[in-house]
Order: sequence, then structure tokens, then C-alpha cells
Amino acid sequence: DAGVIQSPRHEVTEMGQEVTLRCKPISGHNSLFWYRQTMMRGLELLIYFNNNVPIDDSGMPEDRFSAKMPNASFSTLKIQPSEPRDSAVYFCASSSDRAQLAGHNEQFFGPGTRLTVL
Amino acid sequence: QKEVEQNSGPLSVPEGAIASLNCTYSDRVSQSFFWYRQYSGKSPELIMSIYSNGDKEDGRFTAQLNKASQYVSLLIRDSQPSDSATYLCAVSKDTGRRALTFGSGTRLQVQP
Repeated sequence: DAGVIQSPRHEVTEMGQEVTLRCKPISGHNSLFWYRQTMMRGLELLIYFNNNVPIDDSGMPEDRFSAKMPNASFSTLKIQPSEPRDSAVYFCASSSDRAQLAGHNEQFFGPGTRLTVL
Repeated sequence: QKEVEQNSGPLSVPEGAIASLNCTYSDRVSQSFFWYRQYSGKSPELIMSIYSNGDKEDGRFTAQLNKASQYVSLLIRDSQPSDSATYLCAVSKDTGRRALTFGSGTRLQVQP
């Protein structure tokens, strides 16, 4: 079975440019999470969706960040305009409510997108 | 106080020894606890989950949970050089907000 798929794997852009990161969750999973990892702050939640609806966006750093989930198999995280401090690895993870009802709340991570903003 | 605290390490153990990794959390409503392994440049990989007090064993890994002490640990028996990685402790409250809160990770080095 395919795991969580993210694209691109690497992105290098210049300050001020728009960046769009993409994620496809594991088939059948209905919760999707966007995390960011930096050396200084570790791994932190940006936003999560349940059944395509944003549930918690308290981790989104500012209005330059936006996320959408138009359907159950696709989500985007957009940064506009990008800044050098946005450089980080962005991970998408997914989990299943059905599994949670069975007592399993595990989240599975994609390979990440390494973003460098010059 | 951080919500999830781990010793950053590095924790160095000889091959074949038991590695003991510890984690404390601050929020008593936390319900689900996870250990992820992360190799350098890779994504976190789930290796253990634990939901109730006591021990849970899976192969060479044992997770231990003590909710009264707000303490989670991971034991790795017969440590191998391939176990060298950063181990992340993660906690979920399961009260409508199911996102994970991560510790900063403990770097484990297994010496051949």
C-alpha cells in the first residue's frame, strides 16, 4: 500500500515567491496533518483537517500561510510570500478515525518537503 | 515548561546493550503516547504506541507508561548500530484535538 505522498521533495525558491506544497494521504484515512520541523523549534503542528474540514489551525504562523483540502485525497499548504525563516522540512501525516475508534490513534508521516527560501 | 520533554542526548550505548529513553509530559489529559524513530534526513517512523499504564512489548522494543507520574519510556533491547537515530516522544490529548505534540527528541548512538 502506498503511504503518504508529498511533492515536491525539495524546493528552493527566492524570498517573496509563492510556494505550494502538496500531500496525498493514505487511502481511507480521513485526518490529515501538516507539521513543520526546524532545528530550533523541533516538530510542530501547523494545521489539521478531519473529513476535509480544518479543525485546528492554531499553529499556522501567520497570514502568509494557508492550507486547503478540497477532497479526501489531496491537500495543499501554500506560503505567499515566502521568507527565509520559512526554510524547514514540512511533513504531512494522516490517520484514520476508524482506527481511532478501535483504540489506535497512530499517525503516519510522508517523506517531507525540504524548503529552502533564499 | 515544555509540554513534552526529552533529554536531547546523545545517549551512547554499546552494541547489544539496553538503551533506555525517557519522556515526561505536562498535560494530565493526555491519552495517547507514541515513539517515533527518525533517521537523519528522513521522516518520523512510528515504532510504538501505548495507551494504558504498564508495559507494551513489540520485538526488541518495550514502551512503558506511568500516567500518575506523567512519564513514558522506551527500552530497546540488544541495541544494534542500525538503531542509531533520533527518537521522538509524541503525545495526543484525544479530546477533539488529535494532533500530536512532540518532544525535541533524544539522539541515540549505538557503538559497534
